[in-house]
Amino acid sequence: DGGITQSPKYLFRKEGQNVTLSCEQNLNHDAMYWYRQDPGQGLRLIYYSQIVNDFQKGDIAEGYSVSREKKESFPLTVTSAQKNPTAFYLCASRPGPTRTEAFFGQGTRLTVV
Amino acid sequence: AQSVTQPDIHITVSEGASLELRCNYSYGATPYLFWYVQSPGQGLQLLLKYFSGDTLVQGIKGFEAEFKRSQSSFNLRKPSVHWSDAAEYFCAVGAQTGANNLFFGTGTRLTVIP
Repeated sequence: DGGITQSPKYLFRKEGQNVTLSCEQNLNHDAMYWYRQDPGQGLRLIYYSQIVNDFQKGDIAEGYSVSREKKESFPLTVTSAQKNPTAFYLCASRPGPTRTEAFFGQGTRLTVV
Repeated sequence: AQSVTQPDIHITVSEGASLELRCNYSYGATPYLFWYVQSPGQGLQLLLKYFSGDTLVQGIKGFEAEFKRSQSSFNLRKPSVHWSDAAEYFCAVGAQTGANNLFFGTGTRLTVIP
């Protein structure tokens, strides 16, 4: 089945550690996105990528990094510079930039311990 | 700048009652409009979308939405709510140009009481 797979579903991080969240899609979509979701704040865009080897910062990119070496993969690294990383992270993809909806993965809940 | 407002943070309805969730947007041209639903701890699922044409759009699970350009609104409706509809609902607007062009509201949480 085509879709977006995020892993792991739950992730725990110690203070000062970097962690990487995986996002893989087999929909052959060009565009991929990472969102952060906190209660009452909706979805906030962290990074997005329109094509391989290219990505742009979203509204809250500080403390995060991404790569897009393959069309189907868009991993997100939460670095130690992110002061409040505990949140629910959603990856999404779209076939193109206009007249298309976003398809979402099931999310990763990151908790700092 | 594009923006989406969902004025109701939380709505409670009785099972079998009708439902309307409000969504207002700000955009200078004709937008693309979406409604998504999210169950706790899950990703977002598309309920329906509007790109052009008929302003009354039918979606999955018995939902519909109406685009009203004069009111900059895209309200979601369902004539009879089921307990399984309890979830969080997000309205989103897509712009016609630009790379980062999908904007979400802050969501409305729906509680259904028996």
